[in-house]
Amino acid sequence: GENVEQHPSTLSVQEGDSAVIKCTYSDSASNYFPWYKQELGKRPQLIIDIRSNVGEKKDQRIAVTLNKTAKHFSLHITETQPEDSAVYFCAASIQGFNKFYFGSGTKLNVKP
Amino acid sequence: DAGVIQSPRHEVTEMGQEVTLRCKPISGHDYLFWYRQTMMRGLELLIYFNNNVPIDDSGMPEDRFSAKMPNASFSTLKIQPSEPRDSAVYFCASSLTRGRSNSPLHFGNGTRLTVT
Repeated sequence: GENVEQHPSTLSVQEGDSAVIKCTYSDSASNYFPWYKQELGKRPQLIIDIRSNVGEKKDQRIAVTLNKTAKHFSLHITETQPEDSAVYFCAASIQGFNKFYFGSGTKLNVKP
Repeated sequence: DAGVIQSPRHEVTEMGQEVTLRCKPISGHDYLFWYRQTMMRGLELLIYFNNNVPIDDSGMPEDRFSAKMPNASFSTLKIQPSEPRDSAVYFCASSLTRGRSNSPLHFGNGTRLTVT
C-alpha cells in the first residue's frame, strides 16, 4: 500500500518567517494530496489540496507544490503568524479508491 | 450544513465495558471513515464505508472492534470489551466523490475515549 513520510516532525519559526513542510509518497498511482491543520484539541481541517495534474497551487499565504517524478509534495506558509501554530498533516490518495494515507504530522510553532 | 456530527464528545469508561461511538456524516456524502488518533501512532484509519457498505476494515485492531452503517446518515463504532490501550481520540469523517475524482475528508469533532 501507499506510504507517506512527513518531515520535519517539529518546526519552530519566528513570526514573519516562512515555513516549509515536506512529504514523500511511494505509490505513483496517488493523484490527490490534501493538507490538514489541526489545532490543539480540535479536528483536522482542510487548508489546501492539489491534484496530480497541477504542479503548484496558492491560497493567500499558503502554497503547495507537487513533484510527481520525485513523488514529493510540500506545504509553504509565508509571513507566518502565531495563529499558524498547529499540527499539519499531509495525505495522499489514489484516484477512485478515496482511501487516504496520512503523514505523521508536523508540529509548527510560530514564536511572536 | 452542520458538518459531521459525533457523539459523545467525551467518554470515560472502565476496562471491560462496552463503548459505542456515533457518527452522522454530512448529508449526501457517500464515504464514511473512522480514524483513531494517538500521540504514538498518529491518525490511523480503522474502517471506511462507501454507500453504507464496508470497503476496507484492515485497520480495525482486533475483533473487539466493530463498525456498522445501517443507513446513509448514521454509523457506529463499538468496542467490546474496552481496554486501557483503546484510549484515544476517535474521529469520524465523510467525503463526497465526484465521478472518479477523490475529494477531501470532512472530520467531525471527535470522541475522546478514556478507558480506566
